[in-house]
Amino acid sequence: EVQLVESGGGLVQPGGSLRLSCAASGFTFSSYWMSWVRQAPGKGLEWVANIKQDGSEKYYVDSVKGRFTISRDNAKNSLYLQMNSLRAEDTAVYYCARGDLGSGGSCYDYWGQGTLVTVSS
Amino acid sequence: AIRMTQSPSSLSASTGDRVTITCRASQGISSYLAWYQQKPGKAPKLLIYAASTLQSGVPSRFSGSGSGTDFTLTISCLQSEDFATYYCQQYYSYPREPLTFGGGTKVEIK
Repeated sequence: EVQLVESGGGLVQPGGSLRLSCAASGFTFSSYWMSWVRQAPGKGLEWVANIKQDGSEKYYVDSVKGRFTISRDNAKNSLYLQMNSLRAEDTAVYYCARGDLGSGGSCYDYWGQGTLVTVSS
Repeated sequence: AIRMTQSPSSLSASTGDRVTITCRASQGISSYLAWYQQKPGKAPKLLIYAASTLQSGVPSRFSGSGSGTDFTLTISCLQSEDFATYYCQQYYSYPREPLTFGGGTKVEIK
């Protein structure tokens, strides 16, 4: 059974940092693009970042470029999101998502349960 | 970035109804479009990709159509478990261009 389990969310002050983790199981993690997608309270979905199978390519939405870093450890079947210089507008549930092979990794066939990040003083 | 506009933003329908949701892209995206269903407090679920390909395990009452800039998601016979919010997502020029989602359509019980 495919499982994605996020952790690391919480309350952080503006300007602070947080590192999210996503533990993957039930599939060959190193064969898939992986992404982070977020959802602000009561709002829609926003793609944040993605990373190629071997970590050689990484892409970000403009609003987080230079502040967030996506990474992965295929030996540990884990995905990460390092978030620095956090702002109130980064408040959201952050989902870890697997890129579907049938669509070339560009749609998400499995999602984690999400972890809430709240940026507030 | 390509903007995705969904309409309506919400609708009320009854069990057994046929429901259609539309999604319009700000530029042509060929058939690089997916649809998701999200229930409150839950992660999204992939329903359709490549505009009309049903994801494995998704009931056949769901269907998608369209190409270029205009797309539709149709639920042929609404069931109680289908009351949820639906999002479209484009993946044209992925991964070098940002993936973007529509604003969502909430399907409520009439």
